[in-house]
Amino acid sequence: AQKITQTQPGMFVQEKEAVTLDCTYDTSDPSYGLFWYKQPSSGEMIFLIYQGSYDQQNATEGRYSLNFQKARKSANLVISASQLGDSAMYFCAMRDSGGGADGLTFGKGTHLIIQP
Amino acid sequence: DAMVIQNPRYQVTQFGKPVTLSCSQTLNHNVMYWYQQKSSQAPKLLFHYYDKDFNNEADTPDNFQSRRPNTSFCFLDIRSPGLGDAAMYLCATSRTNRDTKAFFGQGTRLTVV
Repeated sequence: AQKITQTQPGMFVQEKEAVTLDCTYDTSDPSYGLFWYKQPSSGEMIFLIYQGSYDQQNATEGRYSLNFQKARKSANLVISASQLGDSAMYFCAMRDSGGGADGLTFGKGTHLIIQP
Repeated sequence: DAMVIQNPRYQVTQFGKPVTLSCSQTLNHNVMYWYQQKSSQAPKLLFHYYDKDFNNEADTPDNFQSRRPNTSFCFLDIRSPGLGDAAMYLCATSRTNRDTKAFFGQGTRLTVV
């Protein structure tokens, strides 16, 4: 069963607009963490933001915020005032204790293109 | 300064010829991970080390091995690369296996000819 679902394979957004990238997850573990990473064409995975399952507040990091809706099992990434440099692949990922794996399970990603 | 360094950035190897990819870290993290990312796909965890303890994912092919001689270095060995092993290989570290952030290297893009 797919653990992380990103339903938007690609998105085109005008510069300076806000962007919401969707992510839903599936886990039966009460303790888990949700991550967003940015991967530019160079290949490096750049950490953006983290949300723990017990965190009361939605996580924010500069222009990035995570819209965490626990009951819906969604963890959407919001980028405010998008910039040309935001063009990249964006991956939602989760860490839980399922299957004994300690690494991250990634979604298939969203290719975001910011247009001038 | 780069904290997780992967060498080389690009590697071309022949079909069936053993190849080793390397990863080093300056963070003194306990956990080191190897991920495989094929073109237009999500990264997939191959295995990880927690200190010296090796943890293999159930569906990682036997063709893939790893070594961690010390805290700073971790190697990915592909014993007999096939065309299907062409991918980006990403190394990552975290302080513990429950840490809130994993630091990734820039990856090694492997081509098999």
